[in-house]
Amino acid sequence: ILNVEQSPQSLHVQEGDSTNFTCSFPSSNFYALHWYRWETAKSPEALFVMTLNGDEKKKGRISATLNTKEGYSYLYIKGSQPEDSATYLCAFSNAGGTSYGKLTFGQGTILTVHP
Amino acid sequence: DGGITQSPKYLFRKEGQNVTLSCEQNLNHDAMYWYRQDPGQGLRLIYYSQIVNDFQKGDIAEGYSVSREKKESFPLTVTSAQKNPTAFYLCASSKGRAERELFFGEGSRLTVL
Repeated sequence: ILNVEQSPQSLHVQEGDSTNFTCSFPSSNFYALHWYRWETAKSPEALFVMTLNGDEKKKGRISATLNTKEGYSYLYIKGSQPEDSATYLCAFSNAGGTSYGKLTFGQGTILTVHP
Repeated sequence: DGGITQSPKYLFRKEGQNVTLSCEQNLNHDAMYWYRQDPGQGLRLIYYSQIVNDFQKGDIAEGYSVSREKKESFPLTVTSAQKNPTAFYLCASSKGRAERELFFGEGSRLTVL
């Protein structure tokens, strides 16, 4: 079983603060790295899928970077808003064989943004 | 509206009973997945299917069974052999390869009494 670690486990910030989380994954045979946002009582929704070392993706105030050589990805939220409160999940896939299409999730980072 | 429908949302079962969770998608996706979530843990993969009539075990397949007779449907049976079945179960689908995002259902919460 692949090991995908997210830190911190939880985070409380004030509205307007910028914040970031980390996802660590095995650096060998990298294939893809996903970020999802999971709001309470809703389904997880994809934020980004990254496949190339050095990838940077942005969606509004949220951005992500990827370093496949050292096995980590950062998710940044600029100017956090209460509606950003959610659990943020990363998921990793390595290449080929029987793992084709298989994603392993980290345990998530719970973000709470206080007004 | 395209999406994934899981049913039932809540299910109670007595020990020793099998129960089947339904997952249907109308997104025309080839791949479907079942994940389980326990408190304080990430989503753990139970089974996945890349194509009709084919499926693979995930990391925690013991005590579960699946079928993929139709592209739209991927039901999960929690058997009496599953030692700790009380959990939240999520179904997902994708276009098939791991660089494609997953689309999730709203989940089914199973409680064993």
